[in-house]
Amino acid sequence: DAGVTQSPTHLIKTRGQQVTLRCSPKSGHDTVSWYQQALGQGPQFIFQYYEEEERQRGNFPDRFSGHQFPNYSSELNVNALLLGDSALYLCASSLAAGASNQPQHFGDGTRLSIL
Amino acid sequence: GENVEQHPSTLSVQEGDSAVIKCTYSDSASNYFPWYKQELGKRPQLIIDIRSNVGEKKDQRIAVTLNKTAKHFSLHITETQPEDSAVYFCAASRGGNDMRFGAGTRLTVKP
Repeated sequence: DAGVTQSPTHLIKTRGQQVTLRCSPKSGHDTVSWYQQALGQGPQFIFQYYEEEERQRGNFPDRFSGHQFPNYSSELNVNALLLGDSALYLCASSLAAGASNQPQHFGDGTRLSIL
Repeated sequence: GENVEQHPSTLSVQEGDSAVIKCTYSDSASNYFPWYKQELGKRPQLIIDIRSNVGEKKDQRIAVTLNKTAKHFSLHITETQPEDSAVYFCAASRGGNDMRFGAGTRLTVKP
C-alpha cells in the first residue's frame, strides 16, 4: 500500500523563478492538502484540493497556486520565487467522508532552497 | 482564523518519566485535534487524534485529553523512552480541512 509520495525531494531555484512540486496521495485517498514548513516551525496550511477544486486556502499570496488531477494527484506551483519561500513543502492526503474528520497522512516533503 | 499555541517549546525528561505537552486553540468550531511526531529530516507522523465528542483517548503509552470549554488539549506520554525524542506538533481543524499547527515541542528523553 503506497503512502504519500512527493517529487522532487530537493530543489534549488533562484529568485524570480517558478517551481512546480508534485504529490501522489496515499492509495484510496481523494483529498490533498499542501503545507509550508519553515525551519524550526510548524507546518503552515497553504490550500486543500478535493474533486479537482481548491476547497480551502490559508494565508498565502496568489503566487501560490495548485491543481488536482482526475487521479487525485496534485501539483503546487509557486511563481516569482522569493528568498522567504525557502522551506520544506509537505503534501498530506486524506479521504473525504462528509462532515467527519479524517486523518491526514504526510509525504516526505520537497526541500526548496531559493538562492 | 484558527490560532494554535503550544507549550513548552522544549522539554527534557529522564527515561521512564512522563511528558506533557499542552495546546490551546481559538476557534470554538474546531472539532478535530491530531498530534504529530516529526523526527529530524522525516515526515510528520500521526500518533494520536481526538474528536470533539470525546474528552480523552488513550493508545498504549500515549493519551490525549480535550477540554472544549477551556479550548485546550494535551498530549501525555508515560514511561518515556529515548526513541520518543522528536518534535511533537499539535493541530486543530474544523472538519479536518485546514489544519492549523502549533509551533512544536522538542522533546528530549535522556537515558
